[in-house]
Amino acid sequence: GQQLNQSPQSMFIQEGEDVSMNCTSSSIFNTWLWYKQEPGEGPVLLIALYKAGELTSNGRLTAQFGITRKDSFLNISASIPSDVGIYFCAGRSQGGSEKLVFGKGTKLTVNP
Amino acid sequence: NAGVTQTPKFRVLKTGQSMTLLCAQDMNHEYMYWYRQDPGMGLRLIHYSVGEGTTAKGEVPDGYNVSRLKKQNFLLGLESAAPSQTSVYFCASRARLLAGTTDTQYFGPGTRLTVL
Repeated sequence: GQQLNQSPQSMFIQEGEDVSMNCTSSSIFNTWLWYKQEPGEGPVLLIALYKAGELTSNGRLTAQFGITRKDSFLNISASIPSDVGIYFCAGRSQGGSEKLVFGKGTKLTVNP
Repeated sequence: NAGVTQTPKFRVLKTGQSMTLLCAQDMNHEYMYWYRQDPGMGLRLIHYSVGEGTTAKGEVPDGYNVSRLKKQNFLLGLESAAPSQTSVYFCASRARLLAGTTDTQYFGPGTRLTVL
């Protein structure tokens, strides 16, 4: 089946630093989504991307849909302690499938 | 609005026992989903529903059954639980995609299931 490779698996950073994480796929996606999950809760959608090359921001978060349609990245600028959590990418392939494929997540720790 | 709620929050089963997880949403969403999340893994789709009375298989459907008798509820059943079904189960729902709307799936808080 389809798989997403998300990296890095974990990050330990100082407050104020910028963060970058990415997802790559062996197949083409027509939708890329980025979620954040905090302990004991379900994932919450951060950014949705629908067009190759699209660059979208949500506050200090910026995500891009890769030109090849096989990758996406998420940047967090000037991190703060409440950015702690697990960030997941998810993709939907062409054809209107309901099936989202999720990456394994990037666990972010921010030291004050 | 409560959003998406799941019951129970925690459950411990013995191998071979059966149980039903309930998901309820009050947003009048057409689509509902059941995922499982295992340590170090992303979410994997078990079953989903595109409307009342309809269900479809996801990525990992074996050992599970679902029903969508009412639009607001989506039930996940385990007929004979196995240790491999120890996981955190998440329900999600979303509205039908219309032009200009985003792909937001709203997730419940999860059910932590342990099968001994």
